[in-house]
Amino acid sequence: SSELTQDPAVSVALGQTVRVTCQGDGLRAFFATWYQQKPGQAPVLVMFGRNTRPSGIPDRFSGSISGDTASLIISGAQAEDEADYYCHSRDITSTHLVFGGGTKLTVL
Amino acid sequence: QVQLQESGPGLVRPSQTLSLTCTVSGGSISSAYYWTWIRQVPGKGLEWIGYIFSSATTYYNPSLKSRLIISADTSKNQFSLKLSSVTAADTAVYYCARHYYDGSGINWIDPWGQGTLVTVSS
Repeated sequence: SSELTQDPAVSVALGQTVRVTCQGDGLRAFFATWYQQKPGQAPVLVMFGRNTRPSGIPDRFSGSISGDTASLIISGAQAEDEADYYCHSRDITSTHLVFGGGTKLTVL
Repeated sequence: QVQLQESGPGLVRPSQTLSLTCTVSGGSISSAYYWTWIRQVPGKGLEWIGYIFSSATTYYNPSLKSRLIISADTSKNQFSLKLSSVTAADTAVYYCARHYYDGSGINWIDPWGQGTLVTVSS
């Protein structure tokens, strides 16, 4: 089965750019999808496909892929972007879903 | 706008069966989506439990497969989860959600229910 690896924690200064990464063999076949989760709330879809934002997601969020590593990029991070971010994809050998362990983003 | 809402007991005794229902509004569970259960141990990450497609075809997390049944009731526009022989390790927030896969590499989960905390304790 495929696994997705994320850094446990990342910090960024207010207004600066930060990259949250997700690495896994399955990302060579399936795009990563990204979710933002704030304390006590359900995850919210923020990015899917090569670089597609759902309606309502600010354009400071973007996505990229290079080999087996996907990135969620926040350009000009805001205080409200402080949250846990999870990547997700499909297992490369089955129809199962896999999640990364999550990255806690702190905006300083 | 599709909305999902979990319901079920918040407390389950060890060795018993955890049963949850997800009610879908604003859309039909007979549509071409995978209706999904995901859980999150408090303070931990997300774990995919399984999903049901076309109200009949199911796919389960291998680590839970022997204890798990996901089913759907199209007349009520609901899908359900039953997890048997629960232990304290099954204590988590359980989410139902809609999963989409386009067959070419794009997939996403949206929307999610608000989640319901299920505690396994005597």
